[in-house]
Amino acid sequence: QSVLTQPPSVSAAPGQKVTISCSGSSSNIGNNYVSWYQQLPGTAPKLLIYDNNKRPSGIPDRFSGSKSGTSATLGITGLQTGDEADYYCGTWDSSLSAHWVFGGGTKLTVL
Amino acid sequence: EVQLVQSGAEVKKPGESLRISCKGSGYSFTTYWISWVRQMPGKGLEWMGRIDPSDSYTTYSPSFQGHVTISTDKSISTAYVQWSSLKASDTAMYYCARYSNTGWFDPWGQGTLVTVSS
Repeated sequence: QSVLTQPPSVSAAPGQKVTISCSGSSSNIGNNYVSWYQQLPGTAPKLLIYDNNKRPSGIPDRFSGSKSGTSATLGITGLQTGDEADYYCGTWDSSLSAHWVFGGGTKLTVL
Repeated sequence: EVQLVQSGAEVKKPGESLRISCKGSGYSFTTYWISWVRQMPGKGLEWMGRIDPSDSYTTYSPSFQGHVTISTDKSISTAYVQWSSLKASDTAMYYCARYSNTGWFDPWGQGTLVTVSS
C-alpha cells in the first residue's frame, strides 16, 4: 500500500478535463515538492510536472499541477486519446528514514 | 542530449547473482544523483534507492535495504544495481533515473527487464 493515495482510475471524453488527486501527510507532501510522471503503455515514465506546478520544456500547458496542504492535484485539459497512460505522483517522505515515495498510480482512460 | 542508457534484458535462475547498469551521457555525471526504481509486472513504481556519483554516498528505501546494492563507476559515467542471490519475486522492470537537487526524476532510462525463473 502506497504512502501517497491516488485514485486507481479516472476517465473522461476527448476534449474534456480531468483531475487526478494525490493525498499524503505532513511527512511527505506537506513539507516537500511534488512531481508527476506519465507512463505511456510499454514505455518508461516521463516527468510531467515538477516543484508542484512547473512544466519541463516540451510539456504542453494542457498539463498543470497544484498543491494544497497535504494533497496535490494533476490537471489535464483538452484530453486527447494519446493522453491514455498511467500517472504517478511522487515526493520525499521524511518519516523515520528519508526516502522517496510514489503514489500507487492512476490509469487515465480517454473514452 | 541528456540520456540514460540501460543494459539489456536478463533471464536468471533463483539464487544467481546479477548486476545491471545505467550509463549517463550529455551531462556531468557527478553533478546529479542516480536513483533506481522497480516496477513489478502490472504494478506501480517503487523507489529502491539513490547514489551520489561524486562520492558514492548511497541511500536505500527501507523496503530494499539489504536486498540490493547500488554502486557507481564515475570514470565511465555508469551506475549499477546488483543482487547477490535473486528470487523469483525480483522479476520486474528496473529503471534508472537522474535525480535533481530539488526533487524530481528526469530523464529516465529505457528500463531493464529482469526475469528470475527456474
